[in-house]
Amino acid sequence: NAGVTQTPKFRVLKTGQSMTLLCAQDMNHEYMYWYRQDPGMGLRLIHYSVGEGTTAKGEVPDGYNVSRLKKQNFLLGLESAAPSQTSVYFCASSPPPSYGYTFGSGTRLTVV
Amino acid sequence: GDSVTQMEGPVTLSEEAFLTINCTYTATGYPSLFWYVQYPGEGLQLLLKATKADDKGSNKGFEATYRKETTSFHLEKGSVQVSDSAVYFCALSLGSQGNLIFGKGTKLSVKP
Repeated sequence: NAGVTQTPKFRVLKTGQSMTLLCAQDMNHEYMYWYRQDPGMGLRLIHYSVGEGTTAKGEVPDGYNVSRLKKQNFLLGLESAAPSQTSVYFCASSPPPSYGYTFGSGTRLTVV
Repeated sequence: GDSVTQMEGPVTLSEEAFLTINCTYTATGYPSLFWYVQYPGEGLQLLLKATKADDKGSNKGFEATYRKETTSFHLEKGSVQVSDSAVYFCALSLGSQGNLIFGKGTKLSVKP
């Protein structure tokens, strides 16, 4: 049982480049989330989804887009990367949130 | 708004010492409460949770009791080990569909 899998694990981008982070879960969870983690800032919610075909904005959505075309996958896109998007990105999934989240192992993104 | 406040870190303890990490919350309703642990280079893992007042969550020797009267969910362990060195996050969820709101995390270092 793989749980939540994030790819890639590391990436270096140049300013202005685009990329997509993939999150896949095999637990049949309805809810999926993208967070970023920065030193001293804790975890901040970027976007989330409450089911296949749905997405919603979190606390810090600017500069990111997401899609949930299949229940098991949640994609996070950066259209034009900026140095301020250097961070560690975590995906998570859950049944209803009150059950708790399962997190992936993270993607460390550096924008130069 | 709803929020979680954790004690500032880092916390440094000697092996076998008693651990308390304070967590208080502000919420408009009656949240579910969680503790997550993040080991170096990894994603967050659910450590324990409590869903109603006076519930005690426990796991791996860690405990936390949901105290409605003091709006607190302090994490305790009687005898810490070097392997407990990690960052600990307190979180809350309101209602069955409320996204988790995280504290900023408390880094624990345990010295042999």
